Amino acid sequence: GIQVEQSPPDLILQEGANSTLRCNFSDSVNNLQWFHQNPWGQLINLFYIPSGTKQNGRLSATTVATERYSLLYISSSQTTDSGVYFCAVERGGKIIFGKGTRLHILP
Amino acid sequence: EAQVTQNPRYLITVTGKKLTVTCSQNMNHEYMSWYRQDPGLGLRQIYYSMNVEVTDKGDVPEGYKVSRKEKRNFPLILESPSPNQTSLYFCASSRTGSFNSPLHFGNGTRLTVT
Repeated sequence: GIQVEQSPPDLILQEGANSTLRCNFSDSVNNLQWFHQNPWGQLINLFYIPSGTKQNGRLSATTVATERYSLLYISSSQTTDSGVYFCAVERGGKIIFGKGTRLHILP
Repeated sequence: EAQVTQNPRYLITVTGKKLTVTCSQNMNHEYMSWYRQDPGLGLRQIYYSMNVEVTDKGDVPEGYKVSRKEKRNFPLILESPSPNQTSLYFCASSRTGSFNSPLHFGNGTRLTVT
């Protein structure tokens, strides 16, 4: 089946820094979404982004479907950005998640 | 408020005792699905449903059952729980089944099987 790999697995940054999280997938996919799991365990949808670029405040995402990767950019990090970021793809009705990038933002 | 509601939030049970985790959404979503989250493994899909009376296996369906008799409800049933089903479970829904609309998650159910 399709493989979804995220990098880096862990990232520690100072408040105010910028970061780029990567999601690679092994085969063509129909759609891709990014999620944030906060320290309390809640999963929040960030972006639906099958291709192109989208921005929402300090967060933006880019998907290059032909090269099978997506990037999530976080600018001017805040402590509330801490948590785990997941990408997920869909193939034939099934949804496959990557293992996530754990982000720690230090005050 | 639009939401996905799971119950219970925490559940401790013993091996072999049948249990049901409920999931309900109030957004008239067609697609509903269940996931388990384990350390180092991320989220893995257990079952999904494209619409009422339509369910399909995800990547880890063994030991679980689901039903979709009404659009808003999608319960997860463990007929004979075992310790390897100790996990954090999430229910999710979206407007359509093609992953082209945002997936909304419930707050999770932490299950411990002793």
